[in-house]
Amino acid sequence: NAGVTQTPKFRILKIGQSMTLQCAQDMNHNYMYWYRQDPGMGLKLIYYSVGAGITDKGEVPNGYNVSRSTTEDFPLRLELAAPSQTSVYFCASSYSTGATGELFFGEGSRLTVL
Amino acid sequence: GQQVMQIPQYQHVQEGEDFTTYCNSSTTLSNIQWYKQRPGGHPVFLIQLVKSGEVKKQKRLTFQFGEAKKNSSLHITATQTTDVGTYFCAGRATDSWGKLQFGAGTQVVVTP
Repeated sequence: NAGVTQTPKFRILKIGQSMTLQCAQDMNHNYMYWYRQDPGMGLKLIYYSVGAGITDKGEVPNGYNVSRSTTEDFPLRLELAAPSQTSVYFCASSYSTGATGELFFGEGSRLTVL
Repeated sequence: GQQVMQIPQYQHVQEGEDFTTYCNSSTTLSNIQWYKQRPGGHPVFLIQLVKSGEVKKQKRLTFQFGEAKKNSSLHITATQTTDVGTYFCAGRATDSWGKLQFGAGTQVVVTP
């Protein structure tokens, strides 16, 4: 049981490049989330999904896109990288939003845009 | 929109001392969660509080949910070096889907 797996762990991008951060979970969780964490700050929700085929914007969705074609995978796409997107990205999943809605986080993907 | 604030932002503690970190929400919450993130690591779930006035303990950690369900606190007794990290509270609003809103965290440094 691997939990939540994120790849890559580190990446350096040039301004204007595109990339996809991969996220997979093997816990059969319906809910999945993408957060970004800037130095000394909390976690800001980028996008979330309540199940396969359903996604919605969080607090800071601009510059990102997501898809959820399967329960297991929730990739995050950056189309035109900007320095403001330099951050640590965490993918998370949860069984529900109710009493058992604890979030399980991946180990993070550290992205630098130069 | 909903805002969750944590104080203090930083906490320097002498090993063996106690300290408390506080979390305040601008709106009533359905539940609140606490996470710990070690330096360079990812957030790890500690506990969830659901009921008004609820108090839960995990060894040296005591978590409390306010009567109005708008604030929470984490109290650590006899701090150890293993307590180093950032503690986040995350609140779920009572309306609609109830996404988790994270506070900015309290970064704890322990001096031996």
